[in-house]
Amino acid sequence: NAGVTQTPKFQVLKTGQSMTLQCAQDMNHNSMYWYRQDPGMGLRLIYYSASEGTTDKGEVPNGYNVSRLNKREFSLRLESAAPSQTSVYFCASRGNPGQESYEQYFGPGTRLTVT
Amino acid sequence: RKEVEQDPGPFNVPEGATVAFNCTYSNSASQSFFWYRQDCRKEPKLLMSVYSSGNEDGRFTAQLNRASQYISLLIRDSKLSDSATYLCVVIPNASGGSYIPTFGRGTSLIVHP
Repeated sequence: NAGVTQTPKFQVLKTGQSMTLQCAQDMNHNSMYWYRQDPGMGLRLIYYSASEGTTDKGEVPNGYNVSRLNKREFSLRLESAAPSQTSVYFCASRGNPGQESYEQYFGPGTRLTVT
Repeated sequence: RKEVEQDPGPFNVPEGATVAFNCTYSNSASQSFFWYRQDCRKEPKLLMSVYSSGNEDGRFTAQLNRASQYISLLIRDSKLSDSATYLCVVIPNASGGSYIPTFGRGTSLIVHP
């Protein structure tokens, strides 16, 4: 049981390049989330998916797209990276009401630098 | 007013001290509450859930005050290993099942010898 996994762990992009951050969970959770964390800003929600086949915008969705490929996987895409997207990105999943694991579980993060 | 507010600190305490953090929330219909711990450059990890009746786990005690809309975390007998950032998480009572956790910005704790 690996929990929540993310790839890559580190990435450097040039402005205008694109990339996809991958996230997978093996806990059969319905809900998945993408956050970014910047110094002094705390965790900010980019997008979330309450269940397979649905996605919704969070607090800071501009410049990002997501895909809930199946129940396990939730990817985040930067179509044209900008220096303002330099951040640490965390994926999380959350158990379902009534399940023991109702709290969020986080992946180890992706540290992205855009030059 | 921010939805979830925490004093960023840092709280700088000696080993063995007792330290308490508060977290206030603005949505009176909030349903679930958690404390997470985040070490430098690592992912947040659940420290404890916060129940209406309060709960204790070893040196850690969490309390919920719905009337004043805050939760608290008390750490007794602080250890050097308790040094971290403590994040407060509040989940509103949303219809339709789309529960969106809201995070505070965290309180930094430094325990020194």
